[in-house]
Amino acid sequence: GAVVSQHPSWVICKSGTSVKIECRSLDFQATTMFWYRQFPKQSLMLMATSNEGSKATYEQGVEKDKFLINHASLTLSTLTVTSAHPEDSSFYICSAIKPYSNQPQHFGDGTRLSIL
Amino acid sequence: KNQVEQSPQSLIILEGKNCTLQCNYTVSPFSNLRWYKQDTGRGPVSLTIMTFSENTKSNGRYTATLDADTKQSSLHITASQLSDSASYICVVSPHETSYDKVIFGPGTSLSVIP
Repeated sequence: GAVVSQHPSWVICKSGTSVKIECRSLDFQATTMFWYRQFPKQSLMLMATSNEGSKATYEQGVEKDKFLINHASLTLSTLTVTSAHPEDSSFYICSAIKPYSNQPQHFGDGTRLSIL
Repeated sequence: KNQVEQSPQSLIILEGKNCTLQCNYTVSPFSNLRWYKQDTGRGPVSLTIMTFSENTKSNGRYTATLDADTKQSSLHITASQLSDSASYICVVSPHETSYDKVIFGPGTSLSVIP
């Protein structure tokens, strides 16, 4: 079964709205989670690394004030797209690493964000 | 520059047929290579992982190969099913635990038709 849950799976909102996406690890504690963005027919692009209890590490070119990340607990990271515009429309995917295991990173099922 | 390339970009095959997807990489150093399956509108799911010393890894009808000398990998799907329709992504890691450094290929979109 799924080990990483992402919510919502799909959101449509007006331009200027802020949208929060949640990523939860279901049966393990994840000190580190990752947020990706995926455009149609393109591969995943890492946006930021979310660290529990500390600031997220953003990849070059990703606006930290635009994409707010909060990793307040060991099982939850949130990505807030602030003042969203149509160009922010994309598929956002999170992943988490199960500590002390050889398992690959577990991905959530993604959030389809459509800004009108 | 670290890169992962995949071919073909897209593929259509008849149900029951076999197919092989290719992955070439120029990542260095190299720790492991993974193949993921991503259904439309879903997150990627791991199929196989291979390290430098492994040549072949199977997972049911999926068989991955790795040639670390030529930096090539393939994913062979046997007796394809309609549910195999998805994007297959090759992912290369330069370090075992540096997940923020992994490089994703662009994927191969596979369509299995009846």
